[in-house]
Amino acid sequence: AQTVTQSQPEMSVQEAETVTLSCTYDTSESDYYLFWYKQPPSRQMILVIRQEAYKQQNATENRFSVNFQKAAKSFSLKISDSQLGDAAMYFCACQTGANNLFFGTGTRLTVIP
Amino acid sequence: NAGVTQTPKFRILKIGQSMTLQCTQDMNHNYMYWYRQDPGMGLKLIYYSVGAGITDKGEVPNGYNVSRSTTEDFPLRLELAAPSQTSVYFCASSYGTLNQETQYFGPGTRLLVL
Repeated sequence: AQTVTQSQPEMSVQEAETVTLSCTYDTSESDYYLFWYKQPPSRQMILVIRQEAYKQQNATENRFSVNFQKAAKSFSLKISDSQLGDAAMYFCACQTGANNLFFGTGTRLTVIP
Repeated sequence: NAGVTQTPKFRILKIGQSMTLQCTQDMNHNYMYWYRQDPGMGLKLIYYSVGAGITDKGEVPNGYNVSRSTTEDFPLRLELAAPSQTSVYFCASSYGTLNQETQYFGPGTRLLVL
């Protein structure tokens, strides 16, 4: 069975500052993918970034980057130069097959002007 | 491309009523999914389909049925609505092949069962 744990129910960051959201996962599979999804108040699930487990290089997408520690099964999300539009729920997810995508319980990020 | 679309956006049902949540995708994805999101929780898989005519259960299938007659459409049916089915329902789709696993989500349907 897979589990995804997000230990920070809520986080806050000053506008223009950097924040890191934590995520740990557990799976017995050797091939898997990790994702961060953003869910703003509109409830739309928006893909932020993805990481293939077989790649050692950390994924980056503009102001978003991850710190992928495979041995520790850790997958944190760093948001640089935070903007008001970054305020949302952020979900970490692990996928081991096309029908096996498991989500954490989310971290609510508040951006303070 | 419209991506993944869902209707309705919001619905109130009485206990015991039935309804169908509609989902359509125009990305020619093979795989489609239905998830539910309860308050303060992540998404849980209800049913999924790997192609037209093929469906299978996810983590929380009880109380739901699905069908997949076309590549584009994947409706979710609630036969006897119960308060425990109050949730936000998301449809998603993906190619389902190697390196094409990313799931793309619809805007969600909020369902309230009273």
